[in-house]
Amino acid sequence: DAGITQSPRHKVTETGTPVTLRCHQTENHRYMYWYRQDPGHGLRLIHYSYGVKDTDKGEVSDGYSVSRSKTEDFLLTLESATSSQTSVYFCAIRSGFNTEAFFGQGTRLTVV
Amino acid sequence: TQLLEQSPQFLSIQEGENLTVYCNSSSVFSSLQWYRQEPGEGPVLLVTVVTGGEVKKLKRLTFQFGDARKDSSLHITAAQPGDTGLYLCAGDIAGNMLTFGGGTRLMVKP
Repeated sequence: DAGITQSPRHKVTETGTPVTLRCHQTENHRYMYWYRQDPGHGLRLIHYSYGVKDTDKGEVSDGYSVSRSKTEDFLLTLESATSSQTSVYFCAIRSGFNTEAFFGQGTRLTVV
Repeated sequence: TQLLEQSPQFLSIQEGENLTVYCNSSSVFSSLQWYRQEPGEGPVLLVTVVTGGEVKKLKRLTFQFGDARKDSSLHITAAQPGDTGLYLCAGDIAGNMLTFGGGTRLMVKP
């Protein structure tokens, strides 16, 4: 199994609070991604990174920010959580273009 | 609207039947990938198709990439209950922005 872990695995938070999800890899892969998965929407890309300090927006980036200060860690922050951000969040890593993406186990976030 | 449109969204069939899942886009992709996801897990890669018109087989699964590299299909022959899951197509756009379709949820009844 690819060395990728997400933390926490489950979180319940209140509307308006900041939340940070962590993705950690031990594969030294260049590319890292954050997706959210909701019923009927498959996986939607939030942000991705193509190197340390190099990030870009995905399809649904509003309300989210990311940081990558080290190759192995990619953080997703919800500055002020809203109920619409209740979802399952997946992190993925891959070494390059057209290569296989490896996914973490997911983080189930509930905003009440 | 997602860049990759999958159909059907849901499919419930009996064991032994054949089925086809489609993945369509108006954009050209350098490659398309198919993933399968089980409940509580992340998606796992089944195949990557790169060349227009390419056909790849994985046991009872046949994957095809359209000639224009805008669409792909997944055909399962003699489906089994173990094939039950969420099937997702994905493609690279704008460099390494890996985007996914909405998924097809397949249930195969014994």
